[in-house]
Amino acid sequence: EDQVTQSPEALRLQEGESSSLNCSYTVSGLRGLFWYRQDPGKGPEFLFTLYSAGEEKEKERLKATLTKKESFLHITAPKPEDSATYLCAVHRAQGGSEKLVFGKGTKLTVNP
Amino acid sequence: DGGITQSPKYLFRKEGQNVTLSCEQNLNHDAMYWYRQDPGQGLRLIYYSQIVNDFQKGDIAEGYSVSREKKESFPLTVTSAQKNPTAFYLCASSRSSDFNYGYTFGSGTRLTVV
Repeated sequence: EDQVTQSPEALRLQEGESSSLNCSYTVSGLRGLFWYRQDPGKGPEFLFTLYSAGEEKEKERLKATLTKKESFLHITAPKPEDSATYLCAVHRAQGGSEKLVFGKGTKLTVNP
Repeated sequence: DGGITQSPKYLFRKEGQNVTLSCEQNLNHDAMYWYRQDPGQGLRLIYYSQIVNDFQKGDIAEGYSVSREKKESFPLTVTSAQKNPTAFYLCASSRSSDFNYGYTFGSGTRLTVV
């Protein structure tokens, strides 16, 4: 069964304190791993897509990396506006349908 | 600007009532999805549709129904058979031929049973 596990469930950081969020997955035939940001009461917003082990992508203070079994979202010198829930999802194709399987998310709080 | 519009933003349902959540997209996406989000549970797939006049059940379809009569629209009906409908509902869409950006999500509808 496909599984996506994110850790930690919640993370509190001080402004400027760098850290990483983890997404581990078991899926047959990974076709892509996605990171989304979700603010309270809103829909998720796309951040990154990663396709193969060793791939890295960056956007402002965020960098996403991928290995064969997990992905990390590194946050460098975070600011309070980075506070949000970060969702990881894996893309799989089965029986002619394309689906994303989501983890439960990591709620990040950055204190000033 | 292209995007997905969900309405209403807040919806209140009495016991025994059916309610319909609207989802419209102008992205020319083929596939559309409905997810339910509960605290601590993540996103769970209710129904999805990859083409007009066709849709499939997701992981938690019981008590819900959908239709896909137009490419742009994918309404979700929460029926009285759904025993615990209070949740945040998200609609999403994607291109069938290009999955580079995964899904595009709407801003959600929060449904509360009163």
